[in-house]
Amino acid sequence: AQKITQTQPGMFVQEKEAVTLDCTYDTSDQSYGLFWYKQPSSGEMIFLIYQGSYDEQNATEGRYSLNFQKARKSANLVISASQLGDSAMYFCAMRESSNAGGTSYGKLTFGQGTILTVHP
Amino acid sequence: SAVISQKPSRDICQRGTSLTIQCQVDSQVTMMFWYRQQPGQSLTLIATANQGSEATYESGFVIDKFPISRPNLTFSTLTVSNMSPEDSSIYLCSVEDGSGSRETQYFGPGTRLLVL
Repeated sequence: AQKITQTQPGMFVQEKEAVTLDCTYDTSDQSYGLFWYKQPSSGEMIFLIYQGSYDEQNATEGRYSLNFQKARKSANLVISASQLGDSAMYFCAMRESSNAGGTSYGKLTFGQGTILTVHP
Repeated sequence: SAVISQKPSRDICQRGTSLTIQCQVDSQVTMMFWYRQQPGQSLTLIATANQGSEATYESGFVIDKFPISRPNLTFSTLTVSNMSPEDSSIYLCSVEDGSGSRETQYFGPGTRLLVL
């Protein structure tokens, strides 16, 4: 089973509107972290926002907020007041606390990404 | 936040050759990670590099193909050996926040590799 699922290959939004990018995850760990990254065409990975599994409040960073619904195992990214410069690929990622299977603590497992296009 | 640089930023290589990618961080970090992003794909962890110990490789990646060095707490190299066109990817190094916070993981700008 996929650990991180991003069901929207592409999304379109009008400039200045808000947009929600979906992310669901699968883990049996009690302690884990969820990340969102932006990857413009240049290829760099830009850290946007982090949500810890024990955080009671949804994370916010400027125009970015994370709609964390633990029971549903979803961690959707909300971008408010979209800008043309927001057009990029967006990745959701999870870091689990366990070291099962010999993989490294600190490893991020990524979803397949969502391409966001902001129209003027 | 940690500032990460990578060299080279891009390269075009012939099959059968090897390329060493450097990753430099402006602060001391315990764990450094090497990821690969094949064209049109998501990121996949190659290995974790800890200073003073052997790198830990993920399933599907082996040391002979991707040898890693970690001589100190601010630097690491990844070598892509005996390259084939299938190795054409973006290679990114990543670190946890150097201040000790595990709430962030930062990436370098990446190395775009094209193998002909």
